[in-house]
Amino acid sequence: EAQVTQNPRYLITVTGKKLTVTCSQNMNHEYMSWYRQDPGLGLRQIYYSMNVEVTDKGDVPEGYKVSRKEKRNFPLILESPSPNQTSLYFCASSLSKAREKYFGPGTRLTVT
Amino acid sequence: AQKVTQAQTEISVVEKEDVTLDCVYETRDTTYYLFWYKQPPSGELVFLIRRNSFDEQNEISGRYSWNFQKSTSSFNFTITASQVVDSAVYFCALSEPTSGNTPLVFGKGTRLSVIA
Repeated sequence: EAQVTQNPRYLITVTGKKLTVTCSQNMNHEYMSWYRQDPGLGLRQIYYSMNVEVTDKGDVPEGYKVSRKEKRNFPLILESPSPNQTSLYFCASSLSKAREKYFGPGTRLTVT
Repeated sequence: AQKVTQAQTEISVVEKEDVTLDCVYETRDTTYYLFWYKQPPSGELVFLIRRNSFDEQNEISGRYSWNFQKSTSSFNFTITASQVVDSAVYFCALSEPTSGNTPLVFGKGTRLSVIA
């Protein structure tokens, strides 16, 4: 089944404790990206990747890192999480930058 | 700058009614793509449709139909004979692939409640 998977689905952590949210797709998509969804602010792009080893900032990159060492994986790293990073995070992938993006199931992160 | 406006924050209908969700967009590009996504209560984002700026044909998929009008910069979504399972937040989105990054710019969403 073609899909984007994210882990963990739910995470409660404390300020400053490094964490990684994994994202994997099995559709051989080139383009991957991360979004966060917040009440009143909607969905905003954090980082994107056009292909392996090619990543760049989206609209709200502060406090996040990403890597793209393999085509299928695009982890989101929070080196020192803060409460303002409490959010619902979505990973997305698409065949190319113009094509429809398929989203993972979301990761609900709470930073206390 | 790109912008998507979904003026209807919440809509409530009785089952079997038809409902139209409005979407108005702003872009300076001549090449762009429009999308609709559904976010049910379970939280995932489900892709519904993609339309490019050169294709103004309306589309129908079962009970869903989309009306794209460049003259009014609108891409409206109609659900015919609504069902309780249609209850969700629906997002309209825009992307301009001619630029380097092509983020989806989302509207704020319309929450649709279908009452049995």
